[in-house]
Amino acid sequence: ETGVTQSPTHLIKTRGQQVTLRCSSQSGHNTVSWYQQALGQGPQFIFQYYREEENGRGNFPPRFSGLQFPNYSSELNVNALELDDSALYLCASSLGDMNTEAFFGQGTRLTVV
Amino acid sequence: AQSVTQLGSHVSVSEGALVLLRCNYSSSVPPYLFWYVQYPNQGLQLLLKYTSAATLVKGINDFEAEFKKSETSFHLTKPSAHMSDAAEYFCAVTGEDTGRRALTFGSGTRLQVQP
Repeated sequence: ETGVTQSPTHLIKTRGQQVTLRCSSQSGHNTVSWYQQALGQGPQFIFQYYREEENGRGNFPPRFSGLQFPNYSSELNVNALELDDSALYLCASSLGDMNTEAFFGQGTRLTVV
Repeated sequence: AQSVTQLGSHVSVSEGALVLLRCNYSSSVPPYLFWYVQYPNQGLQLLLKYTSAATLVKGINDFEAEFKKSETSFHLTKPSAHMSDAAEYFCAVTGEDTGRRALTFGSGTRLQVQP
């Protein structure tokens, strides 16, 4: 059973650029959630995908968008990067029920300069 | 809307001492509650979860937590701290009041273990 993998692990971008982060979900999991964790804070929910459909969204602007593919892997896209977008981006996969465990990847550390 | 409050952003204990990390939640529906641990530069690992079965939940590495509805609390305890327990701990809640199944996290508590 493979775990949740995210790529890249680290990334440096310039303000105004666009970035794509990738997540491979754990085998058999149909739900992927993305979280932003700023330094010294708890993760904040960005959005969730269930069977390729967006299944909920947190308080993030439209320049944060995502996709889920038929194999349940996922992408997070951020346009027009701002300095405050610098954070650890975490992907979590689960079976979609509230009481099942969400398995987290190691995260992508994004730095916007 | 759901919310989680973790009292104490930093907790320091001696090796072998009791660990107590506090978590209070707010939810308009019966919640599911979780404790996660995060080591530096890593993702989150589940310690334990409450899903409306037993109110005393046992997790990995001798951690446990007790769900107290009357106090809206879900505090995390461990009888004897080890140096390897030093990490950031997050309490989280999920439920269907927002129509989604994502986790709402507290701001975290950093646990230091002194030799």
